[in-house]
Amino acid sequence: GNSVTQMEGPVTLSEEAFLTINCTYTATGYPSLFWYVQYPGEGLQLLLKATKADDKGSNKGFEATYRKETTSFHLEKGSVQVSDSAVYFCALRRVYNQGGKLIFGQGTELSVKP
Amino acid sequence: GAVVSQHPSWVICKSGTSVKIECRSLDFQATTMFWYRQFPKQSLMLMATSNEGSKATYEQGVEKDKFLINHASLTLSTLTVTSAHPEDSSFYICSASERRNSGGYTFGSGTRLTVV
Repeated sequence: GNSVTQMEGPVTLSEEAFLTINCTYTATGYPSLFWYVQYPGEGLQLLLKATKADDKGSNKGFEATYRKETTSFHLEKGSVQVSDSAVYFCALRRVYNQGGKLIFGQGTELSVKP
Repeated sequence: GAVVSQHPSWVICKSGTSVKIECRSLDFQATTMFWYRQFPKQSLMLMATSNEGSKATYEQGVEKDKFLINHASLTLSTLTVTSAHPEDSSFYICSASERRNSGGYTFGSGTRLTVV
């Protein structure tokens, strides 16, 4: 079946540190891959996405590259800020129709200290 | 960009009562909406997929008679928690798929339900 596995949190970093949150997936076919961010008490916001192999999604300094050979979609940011503290979810969607459901990883909590 | 409004943002109710949560797509037509449940420090659990004009599709283990979903129009889906119990206390989040969307979903801001 389809599944997403993320590195366990919480991840605690100092401001301006480099961030990597690992994400690997299992899926048949060619899924689209997403990173969502959830701030405390809020819903999810789409951070970035990639729809095919070797695509790089990027937004707000965050990047992730769709690696089919390693079935990975690791999230990176060169210099984190306190405001990046949140929970990050990796997700996949089978693109067999426009209504395909999202499958989420377990989420990784990031805490950035000043 | 696409906006999904979820209401209420929080609600406290007594055991045995029913609670309705609304999810509206404000500037696009959503043929499909999804309802999730999230426990503290955990991921989102998909409860059901709501399709406009037809019955919702529930995930395994989700009681359809307890969690009633209605998607009567292209901009509104509702989740009603019937005969609520304390164990139904959770964070409920909806998301919507735009008709011509190429892959992304828009999420509501969530509803914190507390049953006392």
